[in-house]
Amino acid sequence: SQQGEEDPQALSIQEGENATMNCSYKTSINNLQWYRQNSGRGLVHLILIRSNEREKHSGRLRVTLDTSKKSSSLLITASRAADTASYFCATGIIQGAQKLVFGQGTRLTINP
Amino acid sequence: DVKVTQSSRYLVKRTGEKVFLECVQDMDHENMFWYRQDPGLGLRLIYFSYDVKMKEKGDIPEGYSVSREKKERFSLILESASTNQTSMYLCASSLPTTQRYTQYFGPGTRLTVL
Repeated sequence: SQQGEEDPQALSIQEGENATMNCSYKTSINNLQWYRQNSGRGLVHLILIRSNEREKHSGRLRVTLDTSKKSSSLLITASRAADTASYFCATGIIQGAQKLVFGQGTRLTINP
Repeated sequence: DVKVTQSSRYLVKRTGEKVFLECVQDMDHENMFWYRQDPGLGLRLIYFSYDVKMKEKGDIPEGYSVSREKKERFSLILESASTNQTSMYLCASSLPTTQRYTQYFGPGTRLTVL
């Protein structure tokens, strides 16, 4: 069963604006990661936030994690046309093997 | 940089054929994974392996098998391909460190079963 659910499913904004995507999950996690997928390609890891962290930055990316609400958000600031892609959250569960459970993704379109 | 390669970008097969999808990683990762990706369903785990000759079922293993004879290579086998196995197949690998779980993906194989 799917662990993470992204919201919105699709987002279209103008270049230069900020883009915010949200992810909710159901069970306890070890960490939460965000991945990016360009159309028809594999996924690329963007950023990881551990369960004991609340916020993390990497370049134009900012990730927050609220374990009490079982939710995370990914903010991309000053968006560029090249940011057009699908973005997935993935949760690293505590028990079992080191699997990730992926959400269904948010399709982000940056309009020039 | 980690490199994960998949044997084909596009593949067309007929119903009932036996299909082999190959994945190779060059970073000595213990863990390897096979996913399928379908519109509206996201990525679903088919099988994974945490060591040579070791394998575990994921969420949707029916109709698939896997083989891991060497650490760097993880093969997905469709024993008798069916049209509902038309999909994008993604391979990934990761280190077994307990605090990271970051996965590195190949470019994907888009399989069409006619």
